[in-house]
Amino acid sequence: GAVVSQHPSWVICKSGTSVKIECRSLDFQATTMFWYRQFPKQSLMLMATSNEGSKATYEQGVEKDKFLINHASLTLSTLTVTSAHPEDSSFYICSAMGGTVGNTIYFGEGSWLTVV
Amino acid sequence: AQKVTQAQTEISVVEKEDVTLDCVYETRDTTYYLFWYKQPPSGELVFLIRRNSFDEQNEISGRYSWNFQKSTSSFNFTITASQVVDSAVYFCALSEVNRDDKIIFGKGTRLHILP
Repeated sequence: GAVVSQHPSWVICKSGTSVKIECRSLDFQATTMFWYRQFPKQSLMLMATSNEGSKATYEQGVEKDKFLINHASLTLSTLTVTSAHPEDSSFYICSAMGGTVGNTIYFGEGSWLTVV
Repeated sequence: AQKVTQAQTEISVVEKEDVTLDCVYETRDTTYYLFWYKQPPSGELVFLIRRNSFDEQNEISGRYSWNFQKSTSSFNFTITASQVVDSAVYFCALSEVNRDDKIIFGKGTRLHILP
């Protein structure tokens, strides 16, 4: 079946540094990918929609200069958290639309980010 | 506006009891999809079901069943003969075809199955 993989699964970074999270569709092409953030004991909040070859569309309240999204190929989207701060610590999860069964959406395993 | 409401924040039941998780949604579109996902403590989302707006048939999959009622904009999820392994957070979600198919999640219901 279709698989979406995220890397890294866990990352700890120092405050002020940037960290990149990758989202790959392993056996299908994904023209559209979505990035979500989930704080502890809260729901998944959509951050942005990433379209291959074009700029991402950010949800209201999400800083596009802080959360850089690049969707350079049909199988890879990256989320870079720039100048990370402890309040950016969260669970980030991506999803990709594609596969052979009518635009099904597949979720990655998620990435836990801790900023110290 | 696109919205999903899961009024039950947390539920605890004793193993082998049946439990129903409620989900009410709002949408202006006639074409949409409804989902249920399970999120265990490890964090990954486990896909349970996707139902399109034109298919109101109820569905049963093993101990899981779903009741889709367009008249009340509800898509409830029932687990029969619950087991400890069912303990997790369950999310109901909605996507609208006219809004790039992005999935909007409810706040989730934390389900505790007590042995």
